Amino acid sequence: GAVVSQHPSRVICKSGTSVKIECRSLDFQATTMFWYRQFPKQSLMLMATSNEGSKATYEQGVEKDKFLINHASLTLSTLTVTSAHPEDSSFYICSAAVAPAFGELFFGEGSRLTVL
Amino acid sequence: KNQVEQSPQSLIILEGKNCTLQCNYTVSPFSNLRWYKQDTGRGPVSLTIMTFSENTKSNGRYTATLDADTKQSSLHITASQLSDSASYICVVGNTNAGKSTFGDGTTLTVKP
Repeated sequence: GAVVSQHPSRVICKSGTSVKIECRSLDFQATTMFWYRQFPKQSLMLMATSNEGSKATYEQGVEKDKFLINHASLTLSTLTVTSAHPEDSSFYICSAAVAPAFGELFFGEGSRLTVL
Repeated sequence: KNQVEQSPQSLIILEGKNCTLQCNYTVSPFSNLRWYKQDTGRGPVSLTIMTFSENTKSNGRYTATLDADTKQSSLHITASQLSDSASYICVVGNTNAGKSTFGDGTTLTVKP
């Protein structure tokens, strides 16, 4: 199946700093990428939908200025957690799709963010 | 409101036994239904994807069924192995929104 690479897999940062997480589709072009947040023992919570070349669509309650999403190409989307605080510590996962309404979603391996 | 409900929330079985996980949904218009396996601290991995016209699909020891009339799906795992211990997530695609609705998952623990 298609491969989605997420980097870094783990990151520890100090409170107040910004952290960038990359999501790359390695062997296909993804028209749409999704970003999720997952707390322990809970399911994935969709944060935003990102289409190449356009602004991301954020879910209700997700601060767009806090979680900056850039989808500059059909193979790369980035999530930047700005001015991170301990409550932003979580597991962040991306997924990519060619045709999200009809096709398969391919997930990255996730990025564990710990804010001290 | 589009919803996906999974049951049971958690399940413990002995190695070698079979089990069935359930998924009920109210997503409309329906596009497809997918089952994923998520190991702790990892991203979800696809097990099966089914469209409206498909009733059953197998992937090794995993067999998914879909009843589009009753809007129910099940994932049957045969001859369970310790490595089957994971969270199993049911995801239903919505044609209009281009989004997917996620269930809360079933946590399966296989014990020796």
